[in-house]
Amino acid sequence: AQSVTQLGSHVSVSEGALVLLRCNYSSSVPPYLFWYVQYPNQGLQLLLKYTSAATLVKGINGFEAEFKKSETSFHLTKPSAHMSDAAEYFCAVINTGGFKTIFGAGTRLFVKA
Amino acid sequence: EAGVAQSPRYKIIEKRQSVAFWCNPISGHATLYWYQQILGQGPKLLIQFQNNGVVDDSQLPKDRFSAERLKGVDSTLKIQPAKLEDSAVYLCASSSIRGGTEAFFGQGTRLTVV
Repeated sequence: AQSVTQLGSHVSVSEGALVLLRCNYSSSVPPYLFWYVQYPNQGLQLLLKYTSAATLVKGINGFEAEFKKSETSFHLTKPSAHMSDAAEYFCAVINTGGFKTIFGAGTRLFVKA
Repeated sequence: EAGVAQSPRYKIIEKRQSVAFWCNPISGHATLYWYQQILGQGPKLLIQFQNNGVVDDSQLPKDRFSAERLKGVDSTLKIQPAKLEDSAVYLCASSSIRGGTEAFFGQGTRLTVV
């Protein structure tokens, strides 16, 4: 069964600093992986997705993630944090040929001025 | 294109009452999901429809929760009777029939059971 583990329920960075949110997955087949962002009182919005093409995936708002099969990881990064990046971030997995999206527990990102 | 629509946005009910949520997915999306998101947790899949058939309802508390998707479009999720632990945000999402595509989410319904 597919699953994702997000390391760190809370991450705090200073404005302008590097953002690194960690995600490890478990899947017996090549996975499709996603990062979603959720702002307060909003639904989830897709940031980026990996679908077995390029291992480095670029998303919206300057975020990117790298798929590393050897490490079963799909960490999310952004070179320079902005105050507007403060939100909850969810890593998710869906198995190839399946339709079920499974979410991690989420990481709340705080950005300090 | 219009997004996933949900209503109501907020609902407060007393325990043992019933409540229903409505979802209209993106036009043409065959797959519809209902997720429960308890405060501080990731979304948990309650039920998944493919057109109007149920694909996965393994985590749906069937003694009190029910869901239907009439004609493969709109869907309703009902809770009867509600318990305090049902307080959560209920998210509806849809995706196209192609495997591996992302889900598009509505804004959710925040349910408070008092």
